Amino acid sequence: DAGVTQSPTHLIKTRGQQVTLRCSPKSGHDTVSWYQQALGQGPQFIFQYYEEEERQRGNFPDRFSGHQFPNYSSELNVNALLLGDSALYLCASSLGRVSYGYTFGSGTRLTVV
Amino acid sequence: QKEVEQNSGPLSVPEGAIASLNCTYSDRGSQSFFWYRQYSGKSPELIMFIYSNGDKEDGRFTAQLNKASQYVSLLIRDSQPSDSATYLCAVLGSNFGNEKLTFGTGTRLTIIP
Repeated sequence: DAGVTQSPTHLIKTRGQQVTLRCSPKSGHDTVSWYQQALGQGPQFIFQYYEEEERQRGNFPDRFSGHQFPNYSSELNVNALLLGDSALYLCASSLGRVSYGYTFGSGTRLTVV
Repeated sequence: QKEVEQNSGPLSVPEGAIASLNCTYSDRGSQSFFWYRQYSGKSPELIMFIYSNGDKEDGRFTAQLNKASQYVSLLIRDSQPSDSATYLCAVLGSNFGNEKLTFGTGTRLTIIP
């Protein structure tokens, strides 16, 4: 049973560039949530997708956008990268309401230089 | 007031002793609570979830919930060096439409051999 798959695992970008991160949820899961985790901090909620729509959004600027596809996979796009966007980006999947918690992918380490 | 608060540590515990990790939350209506373990450079891994007041045991782990005090804790018995990690407390939003997990900053636990 495949878990949550994220790609790429590491990425280095230059300030001002754009980046796309990808996530395939655990088999049977239909909800995808994205988190940003800075070093030494807890994961911060970016947004959540369900039925191909953004269901909830955290306190992140519009530079952060996303998409969910019919197969439940998801993308996170970040435009106009800032140095402060350097972080571990985590994708988490769940089935419907998060009653049993999320399953996290291994994350994408983004470094902006 | 932060939504989910944890003592960031580090918390040092001798091998074989009981490690006690604490978490408080601000949303009185929250019903579901989760503990995740995160090794350095890795993604969070779900250890336990708890919904009801009282204790819930799973092997060496016991989660305790007191909704009146808005307090949840995790006890690790017979601590092992492999338990050295950051432990994240997460709380599920109480309102319909607020179905995301909010995480604390985590407590770094070190088990001393």
